[in-house]
Amino acid sequence: GAVVSQHPSWVICKSGTSVKIECRSLDFQATTMFWYRQFPKQSLMLMATSNEGSKATYEQGVEKDKFLINHASLTLSTLTVTSAHPEDSSFYICSARGVLAGGLHQETQYFGPGTRLLVL
Amino acid sequence: AQTVTQSQPEMSVQEAETVTLSCTYDTSENNYYLFWYKQPPSRQMILVIRQEAYKQQNATENRFSVNFQKAAKSFSLKISDSQLGDTAMYFCAFIESGGGGADGLTFGKGTHLIIQP
Repeated sequence: GAVVSQHPSWVICKSGTSVKIECRSLDFQATTMFWYRQFPKQSLMLMATSNEGSKATYEQGVEKDKFLINHASLTLSTLTVTSAHPEDSSFYICSARGVLAGGLHQETQYFGPGTRLLVL
Repeated sequence: AQTVTQSQPEMSVQEAETVTLSCTYDTSENNYYLFWYKQPPSRQMILVIRQEAYKQQNATENRFSVNFQKAAKSFSLKISDSQLGDTAMYFCAFIESGGGGADGLTFGKGTHLIIQP
């Protein structure tokens, strides 16, 4: 249980284009989803928190107009990198926290496999 | 703000040995959760073990156990009978409890553990 998927796993795009990354909880309802960014050989940095049906909460320094987050259902959150530039190239990871059921621990975040973004 | 410190950027041990990874944290909260996550070369984050701060008993999961010292704000991970598959980055992480979990996890910088054959 507690499987989280991300799509795509790899994306290469031209500078100025927009890229959408999907995060899905496959076998549980995710009350909250989180988006992290990880640069090579570094730790994960929280970008934003999204709750189903409400606006995302962004961390200080993260541009909300550049990183659009939508959490339309209890199983899907999307991150759109708008007008991507080479400095946006990174590894983006989502995680999900679910309702307390089926052995899931309410405070535990389950991670997707990540998306590698390369902006040329 | 909470901070998590992992003071060992890299460790290397022989297969079958026991290894301990250190983690300290700073918080003014009394109720929180601590986690160890493993990130192998695939970069998939995998939960290793979890500890609730209100529990005095140290968590264990098979070969993995923690030494949780709340007063000292220390949360070390012990891996017994280490295996080649344990080679990975290990991240210590913290989150407050009971606040709706509005904030994400606060991670340490990680320890790169290498198990030598």
